Amino acid sequence: KNEVEQSPQNLTAQEGEFITINCSYSVGISALHWLQQHPGGGIVSLFMLSSGKKKHGRLIATINIQEKHSSLHITASHPRDSAVYICAVSSQGNKLVFGAGTILRVKS
Amino acid sequence: NAGVTQTPKFQVLKTGQSMTLQCAQDMNHEYMSWYRQDPGMGLRLIHYSVGAGITDQGEVPNGYNVSRSTTEDFPLRLLSAAPSQTSVYFCASSFWGIGNQPQHFGDGTRLSIL
Repeated sequence: KNEVEQSPQNLTAQEGEFITINCSYSVGISALHWLQQHPGGGIVSLFMLSSGKKKHGRLIATINIQEKHSSLHITASHPRDSAVYICAVSSQGNKLVFGAGTILRVKS
Repeated sequence: NAGVTQTPKFQVLKTGQSMTLQCAQDMNHEYMSWYRQDPGMGLRLIHYSVGAGITDQGEVPNGYNVSRSTTEDFPLRLLSAAPSQTSVYFCASSFWGIGNQPQHFGDGTRLSIL
């Protein structure tokens, strides 16, 4: 079993829909990261959180340490949100363990 | 501010050839790392460094060498390329030793080994 599991693997949504991507992990962590990767592009850090909730524009990330679970929400989704969203956890300093990613496609 | 710069962006090699993937950052980050990304799998750590002169192995180090002679540069060397090393390679950097830090990634190097 992978230490970091994401669901769903693939997600197709209509423009304007509310989107949730889930991440579960099995190890103790010091922080959880949400990353975004556009097709053929680099990787951008969206959030780093160790408790509670963070919001940036239409993106919201939450974490429940007791349940070892995090969610990334996108409100009012747009085609430009189409990307791979990656969950990663750090438990030994800066070393990251990554989930396999969720491929999101938002149709107009 | 350039951030993390990787070169080349694309490369095709023949089996047995050697090459160096370059990574440079201008943020004075102590921590630098190399990952490979393969379809259906999460990124996996190849090697990392917490400062000039200090390197260590990650999860999948076999077939790769690194060195860290300066804070800015962290090249990854493929000693004798194999088809199994066909992948997308990402370099990342961050500050070290002051709690959790966001990672800054380069744009990746897409490497094909024939």
